[in-house]
Amino acid sequence: NAGVTQTPKFQVLKTGQSMTLQCAQDMNHNSMYWYRQDPGMGLRLIYYSASEGTTDKGEVPNGYNVSRLNKREFSLRLESAAPSQTSVYFCASRSGLEQYFGPGTRLTVT
Amino acid sequence: AQTVTQSQPEMSVQEAETVTLSCTYDTSESNYYLFWYKQPPSRQMILVIRQEAYKQQNATENRFSVNFQKAAKSFSLKISDSQLGDTAMYFCAYVNQGGSEKLVFGKGTKLTVNP
Repeated sequence: NAGVTQTPKFQVLKTGQSMTLQCAQDMNHNSMYWYRQDPGMGLRLIYYSASEGTTDKGEVPNGYNVSRLNKREFSLRLESAAPSQTSVYFCASRSGLEQYFGPGTRLTVT
Repeated sequence: AQTVTQSQPEMSVQEAETVTLSCTYDTSESNYYLFWYKQPPSRQMILVIRQEAYKQQNATENRFSVNFQKAAKSFSLKISDSQLGDTAMYFCAYVNQGGSEKLVFGKGTKLTVNP
């Protein structure tokens, strides 16, 4: 079991560029989540998906879109990147009340 | 909305000693769970310990234990016999039982274990 995988691990974008962060889990979990982590802010929920075909906004959804492609995959898209989106992004999936996290993607927007 | 507060941005402890990290939370719910996550320099989020609100007994996992005070809405983490590998960010988190099970995190405490 690979658990939760994320690609890429690092990315540098210029302001206005777009990109998609990929997340996949092989644990057959229904719920998946996207968080961002900023210094001194902890982890904040961007979007989540309770099941395949459903998505909902979290605490900080502005500037992001998500797609729950199937049960395994949950992608996060930045349509027009801004310096304020420089952060570390974590994907997670849930079994019961425990969330399993991916290794994170460090994104820098210049 | 639920909130989680960690009032100690940074702490340090000598190897083999004991340290306690503080966490308070605010909720009007009665059924919920609390967690402590560890994030070492590798960035991986690792679940350290969990506590069900309906259980009066404090959870323990080897060197890690919690002091759960439901009336005071307090959930502190005690690390005994601290080891160099315990150096990490520690996050307290809350989730309601039922609903979408969205975790709410505190801002974290950076713990350094000194040799």
